[in-house]
Amino acid sequence: GAVVSQHPSWVICKSGTSVKIECRSLDFQATTMFWYRQFPKQSLMLMATSNEGSKATYEQGVEKDKFLINHASLTLSTLTVTSAHPEDSSFYICSARTGGRSPLHFGNGTRLTVT
Amino acid sequence: AQTVTQSQPEMSVQEAETVTLSCTYDTSESDYYLFWYKQPPSRQMILVIRQEAYKQQNATENRFSVNFQKAAKSFSLKISDSQLGDAAMYFCAYRHNFNKFYFGSGTKLNVKP
Repeated sequence: GAVVSQHPSWVICKSGTSVKIECRSLDFQATTMFWYRQFPKQSLMLMATSNEGSKATYEQGVEKDKFLINHASLTLSTLTVTSAHPEDSSFYICSARTGGRSPLHFGNGTRLTVT
Repeated sequence: AQTVTQSQPEMSVQEAETVTLSCTYDTSESDYYLFWYKQPPSRQMILVIRQEAYKQQNATENRFSVNFQKAAKSFSLKISDSQLGDAAMYFCAYRHNFNKFYFGSGTKLNVKP
């Protein structure tokens, strides 16, 4: 149980275009999902907290207009990287909890390369 | 603000031996949760073990155990009988009640055959 599916696992896009990444909780309802970014050989940096039916809460330094997060249902959150630039190339990971005191369950991550 | 510190960027252990990974954290809360996650080369984050701060007993999961020292704000992970499959990045994480997780910088564990 507690499976989180993330799609796509790998995407290459051209500079200036937008890319959407999906995060789905397959066997549970997730009122809250989290989006992380991970640079090579570094830790996970929280970008934003996605709440179903409301606006996402962004961490300091994360551009809201560049990283659009939508959490339209209890099983789906999306992260859209708008007007992507090479510096946006990174590994993006979503996660979700089954309940208030449960651990995080992670998706497989998405490797974004902007050329 | 909560911070999680892993002071060992990289460690090595011989197969079948025991290794301990260190983690310290800073918090003013009394009720919180601590976790160790493993990230193999596939980059999938896998929960290894968790500890509730209100529990004095150290958590154990098969070959994995923790040494939780609440007063010292220390949360180390011991891996016994190390196996080749244990080679990965290990992240210590902190969570206060229903809030977000904070991750340490990670420790890369190498297992030598």
